[in-house]
Amino acid sequence: GQQLNQSPQSMFIQEGEDVSMNCTSSSIFNTWLWYKQEPGEGPVLLIALYKAGELTSNGRLTAQFGITRKDSFLNISASIPSDVGIYFCAGQLFGGTSYGKLTFGQGTILTVHP
Amino acid sequence: KAGVTQTPRYLIKTRGQQVTLSCSPISGHRSVSWYQQTPGQGLQFLFEYFSETQRNKGNFPGRFSGRQFSNSRSEMNVSTLELGDSALYLCASRSRPGTPSSYNSPLHFGNGTRLTVT
Repeated sequence: GQQLNQSPQSMFIQEGEDVSMNCTSSSIFNTWLWYKQEPGEGPVLLIALYKAGELTSNGRLTAQFGITRKDSFLNISASIPSDVGIYFCAGQLFGGTSYGKLTFGQGTILTVHP
Repeated sequence: KAGVTQTPRYLIKTRGQQVTLSCSPISGHRSVSWYQQTPGQGLQFLFEYFSETQRNKGNFPGRFSGRQFSNSRSEMNVSTLELGDSALYLCASRSRPGTPSSYNSPLHFGNGTRLTVT
């Protein structure tokens, strides 16, 4: 089945630094999504990408849908303590047995030191 | 607009028992999906429902089942619980099902039900 490799697994950064994380897949997706999960809560949608090559921003967050449709990255600029959490990438391929299914990366644990 | 609501938030069951989890989607959302989250396996797709019909199912045993009601609310059931079923069960909704014509209808998750099997 499809596998998503998300890196890095964890990051320890100072407040104000920029952060970059990425996901790669063995096969293509039609949609890439980025979620953030905090303790005791479900994943919250940050950015959704629908076209290969698309670059989308949401405040200090910027994400891109790779041109090969097999990868995506998320950048966070000028990190702040509330950016702490686990960031997940997810891919969706429509049609056939993939109907409605999201495939998730393993997550990137982000720690921000004040 | 209220988010996805899951009840109960926490549940403790014994091996061999069965459990039913409930999910109310965002108002107006007609598609509901369920995911299992564990430290070892991460987030795994269980199934998706739309218009009271299961549209897709993940690689889980038949002990895992679900249903959707006419008001779009959904329940999932796990029978003959095993220790390995301990997990956070997440429900998510979207306005339309995951078909190519509705590709820009992303999933929104609830806060989950934490199931512990002893």
